[in-house]
Amino acid sequence: GEDVEQSLFLSVREGDSSVINCTYTDSSSTYLYWYKQEPGAGLQLLTYIFSNMDMKQDQRLTVLLNKKDKHLSLRIADTQTGDSAIYFCAERGATSGTYKYIFGTGTRLKVLA
Amino acid sequence: GAVVSQHPSWVICKSGTSVKIECRSLDFQATTMFWYRQFPKQSLMLMATSNEGSKATYEQGVEKDKFLINHASLTLSTLTVTSAHPEDSSFYICSPLGIYNEQFFGPGTRLTVL
Repeated sequence: GEDVEQSLFLSVREGDSSVINCTYTDSSSTYLYWYKQEPGAGLQLLTYIFSNMDMKQDQRLTVLLNKKDKHLSLRIADTQTGDSAIYFCAERGATSGTYKYIFGTGTRLKVLA
Repeated sequence: GAVVSQHPSWVICKSGTSVKIECRSLDFQATTMFWYRQFPKQSLMLMATSNEGSKATYEQGVEKDKFLINHASLTLSTLTVTSAHPEDSSFYICSPLGIYNEQFFGPGTRLTVL
């Protein structure tokens, strides 16, 4: 079945780069997403990448996609304390035409001042 | 961007009571609505998918008689947790599907059942 895995924790110092990794299993995934969730809040879409791309950059965020290895990463440059949150990757395939999202387990990023 | 609201944002209820959670897409119409549940320190788990005017499709392990979903209009969907028990305490998030099949997310409703 579909499965999306992430490491659970990441701790970095303010100003350093953060790299959050994600692996997925559904080769039919058309879009892959990164969401940010702050404590007690809903999900905020950060960025997404289409499956025929291998890189996308958006200000401090860089997404890398290795479709062969089904590996996705999110790099946050110049990480700030306000970036402390849980980050979820999600894949969206076209299984049964439902466009169902499968979320990863989430990576809790802690930024140390 | 799309605006999605949920009401209430936080609710505490006694065991055995029912709780209704409303989800509204404020500036777009959503034919399809997803409802997710998130337990503490866990990921989002899809509970059900509903299409406006149709019965919801529930994921395996989710009791349809316990989690009643109504999607009577293109801007409003409700999730009713019937006869709630402490194990139903969770963060419930709705997610309407936009016209380009992008998913938007509500801010979530935290349910605590005593």
